[in-house]
Amino acid sequence: EDKVVQSPLSLVVHEGDTVTLNCSYEVTNFRSLLWYKQEKKAPTFLFMLTSSGIEKKSGRLSSILDKKELFSILNITATQTGDSAVYLCAVGLGKTSGSRLTFGEGTQLTVNP
Amino acid sequence: EPEVTQTPSHQVTQMGQEVILRCVPISNHLYFYWYRQILGQKVEFLVSFYNNEISEKSEIFDDQFSVERPDGSNFTLKIRSTKLEDSAMYFCASRGSYRHEQYFGPGTRLTVT
Repeated sequence: EDKVVQSPLSLVVHEGDTVTLNCSYEVTNFRSLLWYKQEKKAPTFLFMLTSSGIEKKSGRLSSILDKKELFSILNITATQTGDSAVYLCAVGLGKTSGSRLTFGEGTQLTVNP
Repeated sequence: EPEVTQTPSHQVTQMGQEVILRCVPISNHLYFYWYRQILGQKVEFLVSFYNNEISEKSEIFDDQFSVERPDGSNFTLKIRSTKLEDSAMYFCASRGSYRHEQYFGPGTRLTVT
């Protein structure tokens, strides 16, 4: 059975802190790993990673994938209250026409002022 | 910026009734998906759709569910005879041909009473 596990499940920090969110996976037919931010409703796309060791960066957020150890991390530096959300890790599986996503449970991040 | 839209945002229905959830994917996307998220649980894959046919479906997607692309813009999910356990947030997603990240709509909250 395909598995995506995120840790921690919940994290409370103060504005300005740096956080690292973890995602490990055990799946067949790995194609890609994606990070999403979920505030009230729709998951919003952050990053897609397909190659090991190449960091993706967008502002204060960055992410990297290790395909040998089967995990990814999402870093957020200088956190702001607007970063409070559930961060979802998902692994894209299967053939090109399908590419279903299997999601982890999410990490609930709360950034206090 | 183009986005996936879904209607209605909230639907309340009685057990045994049929519901149709509607989605308008991003206009040049060719791959379409439905996911659901039961309150407090993971986002779960239901079905993927490409070239006017289902390309993959999960165990959840039984004979009570069907999908259709009735015209060039809409993508619908029908549940023939709703059960209490169908209560969830249903997300539509789409992606383009060359990039594998999926973009999610805001969701329809389905409540079955």
